[in-house]
Amino acid sequence: AQSVTQLGSHVSVSEGALVLLRCNYSSSVPPYLFWYVQYPNQGLQLLLKYTSAATLVKGINGFEAEFKKSETSFHLTKPSAHMSDAAEYFCAVSTGGGNKLTFGTGTQLKVEL
Amino acid sequence: GAVVSQHPSWVICKSGTSVKIECRSLDFQATTMFWYRQFPKQSLMLMATSNEGSKATYEQGVEKDKFLINHASLTLSTLTVTSAHPEDSSFYICSASSLAGSMNEQFFGPGTRLTVL
Repeated sequence: AQSVTQLGSHVSVSEGALVLLRCNYSSSVPPYLFWYVQYPNQGLQLLLKYTSAATLVKGINGFEAEFKKSETSFHLTKPSAHMSDAAEYFCAVSTGGGNKLTFGTGTQLKVEL
Repeated sequence: GAVVSQHPSWVICKSGTSVKIECRSLDFQATTMFWYRQFPKQSLMLMATSNEGSKATYEQGVEKDKFLINHASLTLSTLTVTSAHPEDSSFYICSASSLAGSMNEQFFGPGTRLTVL
């Protein structure tokens, strides 16, 4: 069984500030972990993925995430928020890259001037 | 990157009619396709997984006779919502993956907004 918990359904940051979106997972096998972004009325776009290689994963648009097995976490960060980062972010886990995904409940990121 | 399309992007239908949504992998052969449903401001819930040429595997609580899934080719899967009712109104998203090569993720379509009047 696998599950994902995203702490904070809404996160608000100032433009230029650090973005930190939290994700904790539960998996009975070594997990594959993903972060997706969704803009209104659109599908999901992959930001980055962890597939058992380097624990610090760099993605698109300046985002990165670190896999910490001891903390069962995969938090998403970006050093400096931009207005265009405002969107819904989903963390997801699977037992294999092309296998069934289990999504977290999502975090709405708001970026303020 | 791999591209997945969905058609239509939005559809409005009357209660009691059936609606078909297509999901296509445009530049790769999708051995597996997934169908998700998303209610407003909520997460994606997996409805079913389909492998080319075989019957779909539905998640618990999803009505097989209500949501018919066909994965007839390696590039096309369809979801038919039969006898649609207002409670079926939702955002439906498909994704596709392949066992071939180094593909180790799902690629998502842009979604289909279904509104049942």
